Amino acid sequence: GAVVSQHPSWVICKSGTSVKIECRSLDFQATTMFWYRQFPKQSLMLMATSNEGSKATYEQGVEKDKFLINHASLTLSTLTVTSAHPEDSSFYICSARGDRGRGHGYTFGSGTRLTVV
Amino acid sequence: QKEVEQNSGPLSVPEGAIASLNCTYSDRGSQSFFWYRQYSGKSPELIMFIYSNGDKEDGRFTAQLNKASQYVSLLIRDSQPSDSATYLCAVDTYGNKLVFGAGTILRVKS
Repeated sequence: GAVVSQHPSWVICKSGTSVKIECRSLDFQATTMFWYRQFPKQSLMLMATSNEGSKATYEQGVEKDKFLINHASLTLSTLTVTSAHPEDSSFYICSARGDRGRGHGYTFGSGTRLTVV
Repeated sequence: QKEVEQNSGPLSVPEGAIASLNCTYSDRGSQSFFWYRQYSGKSPELIMFIYSNGDKEDGRFTAQLNKASQYVSLLIRDSQPSDSATYLCAVDTYGNKLVFGAGTILRVKS
C-alpha cells in the first residue's frame, strides 16, 4: 500500500532556530501534500496545501513566512518552521495524495513532535 | 457553524458492546467521508471511507452515510479495550482537502 515517511519523528530545538521536517512518498507520486498541526487534545488543523512545483496555499491564520513549504518533487515535501518559538511546539503531520486508484488517496506520515525550548 | 462536528465525549462502553460514533457536516457538496482512529501521540490511521449513501461494513466496523441529513456514523461491534482512542471524522469536499472534526474520545471498559 501507499507509504509516507516523515522525519524526524521528534525534534527539540532552541527558540529562534529553524527546523525542517521532511515528508516522502515512498511508493507513489504525491501530486498534493498537506501539512497539519495538532495541539494537545485538539484535532488536526490544516496549515497548507502544496502541489508539486507550485507555491503552497496556506489556510487562514497561518503565517507563510514562518512556515515555509517546499514541494519540489512528486515524492518530497518539506516544512520549515523558521525562528521557532515555544508556542510553535506541536505535533506536525503531513499527508500525501496521489493516484486515487489507491483506495481513498490520502496517506498520512507518522508525525513530528516539535518541542521548542 | 463548524464544517465538521463531533461530540467530544468521552464515550464509554463496556467491552463487547457496540460503540456508536456520530459526525455531521455542513457542506452539501461533500463527496467523501472518512473515519480515522488516533492513539495518543500517534498519527491518525484510516479505519474506513465511504462515498455512497447507506452502509459499508468492514469487519467489526460499519460506516453509515446519509447525505440528505448530512451525517455519517461509525459503529464498532464487539468493542475491545484496544479500540480506546480518539476517532476523527473527516470530510473531503470536491477532492480538495480533508477537513477534520474535533474527534470523539472512546473508552472501552474491560
